[in-house]
Amino acid sequence: DSGVTQTPKHLITATGQRVTLRCSPRSGDLSVYWYQQSLDQGLQFLIQYYNGEERAKGNILERFSAQQFPDLHSELNLSSLELGDSALYFCASSVDGFQETQYFGPGTRLLVL
Amino acid sequence: QQQVKQSPQSLIVQKGGIPIINCAYENTAFDYFPWYQQFPGKGPALLIAIRPDVSEKKEGRFTISFNKSAKQFSLHIMDSQPGDSATYFCAASNRRGGSQGNLIFGKGTKLSVKP
Repeated sequence: DSGVTQTPKHLITATGQRVTLRCSPRSGDLSVYWYQQSLDQGLQFLIQYYNGEERAKGNILERFSAQQFPDLHSELNLSSLELGDSALYFCASSVDGFQETQYFGPGTRLLVL
Repeated sequence: QQQVKQSPQSLIVQKGGIPIINCAYENTAFDYFPWYQQFPGKGPALLIAIRPDVSEKKEGRFTISFNKSAKQFSLHIMDSQPGDSATYFCAASNRRGGSQGNLIFGKGTKLSVKP
C-alpha cells in the first residue's frame, strides 16, 4: 500500500459526459501527479501540482482539467468524454516538486461507452 | 528526444533465470532513471533507481546497469521467481528540468516467470 488513495476504483459512463476523479496524496507529500495508462500509449504524464499550484503540464487534453486543494487532495476533471478516453488514470505523489520517488495510487479504471 | 525506448515488450523465463530488460534514451539532460514494477490491478511501484554518476546499483535481487556513453540502462533480476511476474517500466527525468522535468516512461515489459 503506497499511502496514495484514489476514488472511485471503477467508473462507467457515456460519451459526452463529465466525470471527476479524486486523489489523496501520502501524508506529508506536497506534489500530486496525474497519469493516463492505456494499452497502446503506456503511461502518459498529464499534469503535476505542487502545494496547490500547477507545476508541470504534459499531454493533457483541453477537455481535461485538474486542481489541488488546500488540504492537498487533487481532482482530475474529464469532460465531453470520448470512447478513446477509456483508460486507467493514476495519481502519484511525492514529497517535493522534483518529480522523483513518486508513489502511485491504485488507479481509477474509466470506461466510456 | 524525450522518448525512452524499452525492450523487449514481453519476456518469459524459467524460475531461477536472469531476465534482462533494456532501455535507451536520447536526451543527455536526463539525470534520474527509475524502474517501476506493476502488478495487474495495481499502480506502479518504485523498484530501484540510479543516477548517471554510477554504473551499477543493486538492491536485493534487482540490479540496474547504466551505460552513460551509450545512453542505455538495463534491469537485471537475479534468481527470478514466479512472484516477480509483472510489468516493468523504465523511466527517465531531468531533475533540473523544472517544469519540463516530468518522468518519461518506457512502454513497459511484461515479464512472466514460469515455475
